[in-house]
Amino acid sequence: AQSVTQLDSQVPVFEEAPVELRCNYSSSVSVYLFWYVQYPNQGLQLLLKYLSGSTLVKGINGFEAEFNKSQTSFHLRKPSVHISDTAEYFCAVSDVNSGYSTLTFGKGTMLLVSP
Amino acid sequence: GAGVSQTPSNKVTEKGKYVELRCDPISGHTALYWYRQSLGQGPEFLIYFQGTGAADDSGLPNDRFFAVRPEGSVSTLKIQRTERGDSAMYLCASSTDRGRGNEQFFGPGTRLTVL
Repeated sequence: AQSVTQLDSQVPVFEEAPVELRCNYSSSVSVYLFWYVQYPNQGLQLLLKYLSGSTLVKGINGFEAEFNKSQTSFHLRKPSVHISDTAEYFCAVSDVNSGYSTLTFGKGTMLLVSP
Repeated sequence: GAGVSQTPSNKVTEKGKYVELRCDPISGHTALYWYRQSLGQGPEFLIYFQGTGAADDSGLPNDRFFAVRPEGSVSTLKIQRTERGDSAMYLCASSTDRGRGNEQFFGPGTRLTVL
């Protein structure tokens, strides 16, 4: 079984400032890692994912995340945020050894970008 | 092309009633997932279909919940004798195959309110 912890329920930040959204996971097996974003009244959209290889993963909209196996973390970063980045962000994992990709999500972090 | 669609977008019902929630996946996607998202929580897995069969229904909370996908495309989530605790956003996602690490494409969800 896996679990995902997103320590911050809300992260307020000013426009053009850098941001980091934290994600830690617990699992007895190897996992794939994902970040999804949910804009108001829209479905979840994949930002980026880590399957293997380089631990630094770049995604859409200027976001990136770094997989740290020793710390079981997959923090999401953006060097300069825009108002339009205001949304809820979910970290998720799936079992590498499973034949399919059932996702286990964290509770989400609301990113609030103000001018 | 068209994304995942879900109908209705909102459903209000009374305790004890029966409801059906519909999901239209992306054409050609063989894998289909249902998740439930309660207020302030991340999505939680309910059931996974590969083609017409429910390959994993371990997330269904009890036997009041049932889902079908008779032709391997559209899926219906059925809830009998609804309870107030069933109130949540129900999300559907599809992917191209068994989805080991593959991206899941989410629909906008159906918000179910049980009075």
